[in-house]
Amino acid sequence: DQQVKQNSPSLSVQEGRISILNCDYTNSMFDYFLWYKKYPAEGPTFLISISSIKDKNEDGRFTVFLNKSAKHLSLHIVPSQPGDSAVYFCAASEGETSGSRLTFGEGTQLTVNP
Amino acid sequence: GAVVSQHPSWVICKSGTSVKIECRSLDFQATTMFWYRQFPKQSLMLMATSNEGSKATYEQGVEKDKFLINHASLTLSTLTVTSAHPEDSSFYICSATPPGRRVDGYTFGSGTRLTIV
Repeated sequence: DQQVKQNSPSLSVQEGRISILNCDYTNSMFDYFLWYKKYPAEGPTFLISISSIKDKNEDGRFTVFLNKSAKHLSLHIVPSQPGDSAVYFCAASEGETSGSRLTFGEGTQLTVNP
Repeated sequence: GAVVSQHPSWVICKSGTSVKIECRSLDFQATTMFWYRQFPKQSLMLMATSNEGSKATYEQGVEKDKFLINHASLTLSTLTVTSAHPEDSSFYICSATPPGRRVDGYTFGSGTRLTIV
């Protein structure tokens, strides 16, 4: 039972354009959402997060949008850069405190072409 | 910042042997560490939550006797894959966080590529 789903295994965009990565979840108890970036043979690195009390959080080129009614979130990267090429994972948790368990999506491979 | 070291980064073993993977928090104490498993092009699946000084909490479907977890100190958790078989081949990742930090403070190790032949 995949509670967090990323339906697009891959995405290719041109440098300078916007990258939009999508994520859907089914568990209504999830109230904290995170995006991670991962390179091969490395662990994920945290990018940005959002609490369920918000619908948008922005950090530089990265913005996460949350639509609770649709159980959908997205990560916008603008402008996209070649260095952004990596696998992006969406994750969700029940609560944001230390010890909360993360549930990950399958990941989306983003390729930014020069 | 918080650093988590995972060792070894890759290992190849014969079927039937046991393999130990270490996860260390280098500059902080971690009362809780998490172990994940990732198959190619799939999500990171949480295997267990490792608690210092107590038994690990395993996720449904994870064999406790197969995947032994020990959290002997505040900076070290180990995962031992016992009597490993080719189907245990996977990428194993740990994560840890200092007490009191939020989930976005979790730091991940670099992972261990385990191949059983």
